[in-house]
Amino acid sequence: GAVVSQHPSRVICKSGTSVKIECRSLDFQATTMFWYRQFPKQSLMLMATSNEGSKATYEQGVEKDKFLINHASLTLSTLTVTSAHPEDSSFYICSARSGLAGGVEQYFGPGTRLTVT
Amino acid sequence: LAKTTQPISMDSYEGQEVNITCSHNNIATNDYITWYQQFPSQGPRFIIQGYKTKVTNEVASLFIPADRKSSTLSLPRVSLSDTAVYYCLVGDGDGNNRLAFGKGNQVVVIP
Repeated sequence: GAVVSQHPSRVICKSGTSVKIECRSLDFQATTMFWYRQFPKQSLMLMATSNEGSKATYEQGVEKDKFLINHASLTLSTLTVTSAHPEDSSFYICSARSGLAGGVEQYFGPGTRLTVT
Repeated sequence: LAKTTQPISMDSYEGQEVNITCSHNNIATNDYITWYQQFPSQGPRFIIQGYKTKVTNEVASLFIPADRKSSTLSLPRVSLSDTAVYYCLVGDGDGNNRLAFGKGNQVVVIP
């Protein structure tokens, strides 16, 4: 149980275009989903927290107009990187929290490798 | 978000028990302590979670002293496939459980 998927697993796009990444909780309802970014040899950096049906909360320094997050259902959150540039190339990882009482573990997706050329 | 501090790296021989320490001096009263394992180009994998004393599951044990300012993840009889980065995190206790990843501990298992 507690499986989180991401699609696509890797994507290459041209500078200036937009890319959408999907995150799905396959066997549980996720009241809260999180988006992280990880550069090579570095740790994960939390970008934003999204709750189903409400606007995402972005961490300091993360541009909300560039990284659009939509959490339209309890099993799906999307991250759209708008007007992507080479510096946005990174490994994007989502996680989901089931919201069940007694535990607060998050389950992570396999990640999406974005390369902007 | 509560910060954690871990050794940057450690080596261990195959078959040995590995103990990975973590400091979290600013842990809040309602924060849990969670450990994740990450292989290159993969998302982190949940290992174990605890609040106090000792927690054990099929893959690891987690030891938390009474003051909860540190914790130790114990991996029994490691194999080469346990080579990974291990992260210790504490929840920020606001209900959303935002997690701040530290640098993690690169564990290398040697044959």
